[in-house]
Amino acid sequence: NAGVTQTPKFRVLKTGQSMTLLCAQDMNHEYMYWYRQDPGMGLRLIHYSVGEGTTAKGEVPDGYNVSRLKKQNFLLGLESAAPSQTSVYFCASSRPDRVYYGYTFGSGTRLTVV
Amino acid sequence: DAKTTQPPSMDCAEGRAANLPCNHSTISGNEYVYWYRQIHSQGPQYIIHGLKNNETNEMASLIITEDRKSSTLILPHATLRDTAVYYCIVRSGSTLTFGKGTMLLVSP
Repeated sequence: NAGVTQTPKFRVLKTGQSMTLLCAQDMNHEYMYWYRQDPGMGLRLIHYSVGEGTTAKGEVPDGYNVSRLKKQNFLLGLESAAPSQTSVYFCASSRPDRVYYGYTFGSGTRLTVV
Repeated sequence: DAKTTQPPSMDCAEGRAANLPCNHSTISGNEYVYWYRQIHSQGPQYIIHGLKNNETNEMASLIITEDRKSSTLILPHATLRDTAVYYCIVRSGSTLTFGKGTMLLVSP
C-alpha cells in the first residue's frame, strides 16, 4: 500500500518550459489536491478535485492546469514555467465524508525554475 | 473557513508534555478543528481532529474549550522525532487552509 506517490521528486526547468507533475493514490479516495509550499510559508492550495472528471480552483491557481481523468491520478501542469513557480509541490488525497481520517500527503516534488 | 492564531515557535524538553495552543475565536458551529504536523521536508501528517468534545488517539490529545474559541494539542511525552511544524486548521468545506503553524523544537 503506497498511499500517495508523486513523480518526479526533483526537477529543474528553464523559464518557459512546460512539465506535468503526476500524483497517484491507491486508497480509492474521491478527493485529491495540489498544494505549493514556499520557504517559511504554509501550504497554499492550487487546485483540487472532488471526483473523477472534476476540478476546481484553489487559492493560487494562476499558471497551473489540472486534470483528473482517472480516479487514482491527479495531474498538475505548468504550461510556461516562471521563476515564481519555484516551490515544493505536495499532492494529497482524502475521503469525502465529513468525519474523516485526514488528508494523506505525498512526499513532495521540488521544482526549481531558472 | 475560520482563521487560526498560533505562536510561531515553542520549545519542549524531551519526555515532557508539549502543549500547543491555537486560537480560533471566529469558529462557527459546524467547523471542525484539525491538527497536522510537518516534519522537515516531508508532506504534512494528519494528527487528530475534533468538533466540540475532547479527543485522544495514539499520537496526541485535543482539548477544545467549551466555547470552542480555542484548543490545545497535547503530545504527552515529546520525543526528538516530534520536532516539526504543527498546523491548527479550522474547516467546514472540502479543503484545508494551512497557516504558518507553530515550530516545535524538542530538545534533549
